[in-house]
Amino acid sequence: GAVVSQHPSWVICKSGTSVKIECRSLDFQATTMFWYRQFPKQSLMLMATSNEGSKATYEQGVEKDKFLINHASLTLSTLTVTSAHPEDSSFYICSARAGVSEQYFGPGTRLTVT
Amino acid sequence: GENVEQHPSTLSVQEGDSAVIKCTYSDSASNYFPWYKQELGKRPQLIIDIRSNVGEKKDQRIAVTLNKTAKHFSLHITETQPEDSAVYFCAASISNDYKLSFGAGTTVTVRA
Repeated sequence: GAVVSQHPSWVICKSGTSVKIECRSLDFQATTMFWYRQFPKQSLMLMATSNEGSKATYEQGVEKDKFLINHASLTLSTLTVTSAHPEDSSFYICSARAGVSEQYFGPGTRLTVT
Repeated sequence: GENVEQHPSTLSVQEGDSAVIKCTYSDSASNYFPWYKQELGKRPQLIIDIRSNVGEKKDQRIAVTLNKTAKHFSLHITETQPEDSAVYFCAASISNDYKLSFGAGTTVTVRA
């Protein structure tokens, strides 16, 4: 149980374009999902908390107009990187809260902006 | 906000030996402490967790201890195997917002 999927697994886009990443909880309902960014050989940095049916809460320093998050249902959250630039290239990972506190992670999306 | 420090950053052990990773946290309100294992290019996988009402938890070769007074917790891996080689992250969270604050990670290498 507690399986989280993420799509796509990798994407290459041109500078200035937008990219959408989907995060799904496959076998449970997730009222809360989280989006992280991880640069090579670094830890996971929380970008935002996504609650179903409400606006996402962004961490300090994360531009909400650049990283659009939508949590339309109890099993789906999406992250859209708008007007992507090379510095946005990173590994984006979502997680979903299952149970009281446990978070289970998606497989991640490697974004490369050229 | 919560600040989690993790040591050491790298750890090399001989197969069969034990590995210990230590973390400290700053917010006394934190009450949930998971440990994740991440292999290169893969997702972090929850390997064990502990809540603040428990001092120790064990699952086969893996154990976690928590000292609330000192605000530190540790991961212990016994009888290490080559497949234990990975990056391990500790984290802490407060139950009212569930946000995880991660340590910087420990790269564990088990030498055969």
